[in-house]
Amino acid sequence: DAKTTQPPSMDCAEGRAANLPCNHSTISGNEYVYWYRQIHSQGPQYIIHGLKNNETNEMASLIITEDRKSSTLILPHATLRDTAVYYCIVRPIYNQGGKLIFGQGTELSVKP
Amino acid sequence: GAGVSQSPSNKVTEKGKDVELRCDPISGHTALYWYRQSLGQGLEFLIYFQGNSAPDKSGLPSDRFSAERTGGSVSTLTIQRTQQEDSAVYLCASSLGITGVEKLFFGSGTQLSVL
Repeated sequence: DAKTTQPPSMDCAEGRAANLPCNHSTISGNEYVYWYRQIHSQGPQYIIHGLKNNETNEMASLIITEDRKSSTLILPHATLRDTAVYYCIVRPIYNQGGKLIFGQGTELSVKP
Repeated sequence: GAGVSQSPSNKVTEKGKDVELRCDPISGHTALYWYRQSLGQGLEFLIYFQGNSAPDKSGLPSDRFSAERTGGSVSTLTIQRTQQEDSAVYLCASSLGITGVEKLFFGSGTQLSVL
């Protein structure tokens, strides 16, 4: 799997947008970008994924640069419950290798 | 339907004993993963099952660890001769496993404590 790089920690004020960056400069054309998060003492939770177009769902938006070498996860109005570790992962479209490997992620702290 | 179910939720054992951890995936999910998370650490991949294919065991840390998946559904992770360093939360996840779009659903995990 392509390697991803994320800042180890970030702070965000409650009610403001949280923008979490991820670098994946070695991503190849058949790899998706996935985002998961893990709230303390819980199993990880899927947030969103994308290939080349920007994506939005009820949880977040995913912005992927045109060259696909980086992406940003946006939580438009962060709440205290969004405090978690956020993982950016890349993985091939087809079932090559199979496993989904989690890196160290970004620990997001949403503060009142 | 129900989510991914893991049992037991907590397991305390003595060093040297064998333990079995169980995972019931979401019905219809063909892919099943086991991960381990030590205190304050990230998720460590252990093993991956996809349909009838041979499992990817590349993450198992030693030959004391094994896993099986019966009938393409329930999976059991077995740790033989447990050591204190095996203490961790063991997480199971499942996904539809189609076309490699891996939207994983995780269970709540089994907290294993080896005394």
